Amino acid sequence: KAGVTQTPRYLIKTRGQQVTLSCSPISGHRSVSWYQQTPGQGLQFLFEYFSETQRNKGNFPGRFSGRQFSNSRSEMNVSTLELGDSALYLCASSLSGATYSPLHFGNGTRLTVT
Amino acid sequence: AQKVTQAQTEISVVEKEDVTLDCVYETRDTTYYLFWYKQPPSGELVFLIRRNSFDEQNEISGRYSWNFQKSTSSFNFTITASQVVDSAVYFCALVIQGAQKLVFGQGTRLTINP
Repeated sequence: KAGVTQTPRYLIKTRGQQVTLSCSPISGHRSVSWYQQTPGQGLQFLFEYFSETQRNKGNFPGRFSGRQFSNSRSEMNVSTLELGDSALYLCASSLSGATYSPLHFGNGTRLTVT
Repeated sequence: AQKVTQAQTEISVVEKEDVTLDCVYETRDTTYYLFWYKQPPSGELVFLIRRNSFDEQNEISGRYSWNFQKSTSSFNFTITASQVVDSAVYFCALVIQGAQKLVFGQGTRLTINP
């Protein structure tokens, strides 16, 4: 069974641009979560989707948005990029989306904003 | 609010030594789950173990063992006879019942030297 796939692996963008990151969960998994990882703030929760509905959102500005498609694939979008958005963005999926379900993470997309 | 503290930022030991990674958590909820994840250089977080708040039994899996103590709000992780392949960043995380977001500690970078 294929793991969680994130594309692209690396991105370099300029301040003010926007970016879209993609995540394909493990087959059959219906919940997809996104996390931002930076050296200063560590791992922070962005949002979680289940059956195309956003169930939870972290404390990030509205420039960060996401969506989930009917095949459970998910995308996150960051508009008007700032230098501080440089980070590793990790996507994770779980089978049921229950609180106790372990998350299966992808390798991440490393975004650099210059 | 929930909080996870991993006071050890970096640990370096020689192969075959035993090493314990500390994790202290804070929550007012009575039902919650604790996790340990491993992040190798490739970037993806790998699930190691889950514990719920009602199960204080310690667990051993090969060279890995976990000590959960509600009285001290700690969930420590011990690697016995460490190996170079254990080198990674280890994260402790907490999720409360009903929420679909993990609160992570800052992580402990473990280096096992040959």
